[in-house]
Amino acid sequence: NAGVTQTPKFQVLKTGQSMTLQCAQDMNHEYMSWYRQDPGMGLRLIHYSVGAGITDQGEVPNGYNVSRSTTEDFPLRLLSAAPSQTSVYFCASSADEGLAGTDTQYFGPGTRLTVL
Amino acid sequence: RKEVEQDPGPFNVPEGATVAFNCTYSNSASQSFFWYRQDCRKEPKLLMSVYSSGNEDGRFTAQLNRASQYISLLIRDSKLSDSATYLCVVNILGGGADGLTFGKGTHLIIQP
Repeated sequence: NAGVTQTPKFQVLKTGQSMTLQCAQDMNHEYMSWYRQDPGMGLRLIHYSVGAGITDQGEVPNGYNVSRSTTEDFPLRLLSAAPSQTSVYFCASSADEGLAGTDTQYFGPGTRLTVL
Repeated sequence: RKEVEQDPGPFNVPEGATVAFNCTYSNSASQSFFWYRQDCRKEPKLLMSVYSSGNEDGRFTAQLNRASQYISLLIRDSKLSDSATYLCVVNILGGGADGLTFGKGTHLIIQP
C-alpha cells in the first residue's frame, strides 16, 4: 500500500493564482481531511469528508474548496492564492472508528506552498 | 472552546536519560487521546494511543489523568532517534475528524 500520497511536494504561487493540491489514499478509508501547519500553530483543519460525496468545513475553510467524488481522492483547491496561505498542507485519512471518534490519522508527506 | 496546551520546549536531554512531558486539555468531553511524533519537515505519525489505565510500548509510557485533564508521555533510555516533535491530540466522544484537536507540539532534542 502506498498509504496517503500528495502532489506536488513543493509549489510557489503568485498572489491571485489558483491551484489544486492532490491527495489520494489506497486504504479504503472513509474519512479524509486537509490540515495546514504553520510555525507556532498546531495543525488546523481546513475541510474534511466522511465519505464520497460528503464534505464539510473545518476550522479555517476560507479561501479553499474541496470535493470528494471517489473514496480515494480528496483534492484541495485554492481559489485565489494569498500570502496568508503560505503553509505546509497535510492530507490525512482514517477509518471510521464509530463512537470513539476518528482513530488513527494517516498523514500524507505534505505540500509546502509559498505564495508570493 | 477546545484547547490543547503543550510546553513547546525544546527539551535538551542527554542520551540514555528519561524524559517526560505533559499535555493539558480544556474540554472535559474529550474521550480519545493520542501522542503523535513528527520529525523535522515530515508528516505526523501515530506514536501511541493513551488509555485510561495507562499504557506502555517499549520505552514509551503514556498516562491519562482525567481529574486534572492532562496526559503525559514518558520516554526511558532515550535514543538519538527519539529527537522529534511530539504532538498531543485529543478527540471528543463521537467527534470524528472535526473533533480532533492538535497541540502545537513539544520539541525534544536528544544529545550524544
